[in-house]
Amino acid sequence: KAGVTQTPRYLIKTRGQQVTLSCSPISGHRSVSWYQQTPGQGLQFLFEYFSETQRNKGNFPGRFSGRQFSNSRSEMNVSTLELGDSALYLCASSLVAGQFTGELFFGEGSRLTVL
Amino acid sequence: AQTVTQSQPEMSVQEAETVTLSCTYDTSESDYYLFWYKQPPSRQMILVIRQEAYKQQNATENRFSVNFQKAAKSFSLKISDSQLGDAAMYFCAFNTGANSKLTFGKGITLSVRP
Repeated sequence: KAGVTQTPRYLIKTRGQQVTLSCSPISGHRSVSWYQQTPGQGLQFLFEYFSETQRNKGNFPGRFSGRQFSNSRSEMNVSTLELGDSALYLCASSLVAGQFTGELFFGEGSRLTVL
Repeated sequence: AQTVTQSQPEMSVQEAETVTLSCTYDTSESDYYLFWYKQPPSRQMILVIRQEAYKQQNATENRFSVNFQKAAKSFSLKISDSQLGDAAMYFCAFNTGANSKLTFGKGITLSVRP
């Protein structure tokens, strides 16, 4: 079974631009979560989607948004990029949302550099 | 809100020796889940071990075991017979069970000396 796939793996943008990152979860997994990883702040939860609905949201500005499609694939978008948005963005999938007792399966991440 | 604290940023262990990674957390929940995740240099994070708070017995997975002290809100990971492949960043994480959101500690970088 294929793992969580994130694209692109690396990208460089300039301040003010926008970026879209894509995540394909493990087949059959319906919950997709996004995390931002930086050396200073560590891993911070962005949002979670289940059945095309955002179920949970972290403490990030409105420039960060996401969506999920009917095939459970998810995208996240960051508009008006700032230098501080440089980070590794990790996507994780799980079989179900709701009563979560299992594990998250992570992708290798998308490394965003903002110049 | 829950917080997870990993106070040691780095640790080093000799191959074949045992190392313990520390984690403390704070929550008002009585039922929850705790995890240790491993992030090797290739960056894909994988689950090492999981502990349900309602279980008194400490979880064990091969060379990995935890020391879960609920009253002290402590959740340490013991790696026995350390191997070179254990070198990675290790994250302690908390989950309420209500959804799949994990609250992570800052992580600890473990190096293994041959």
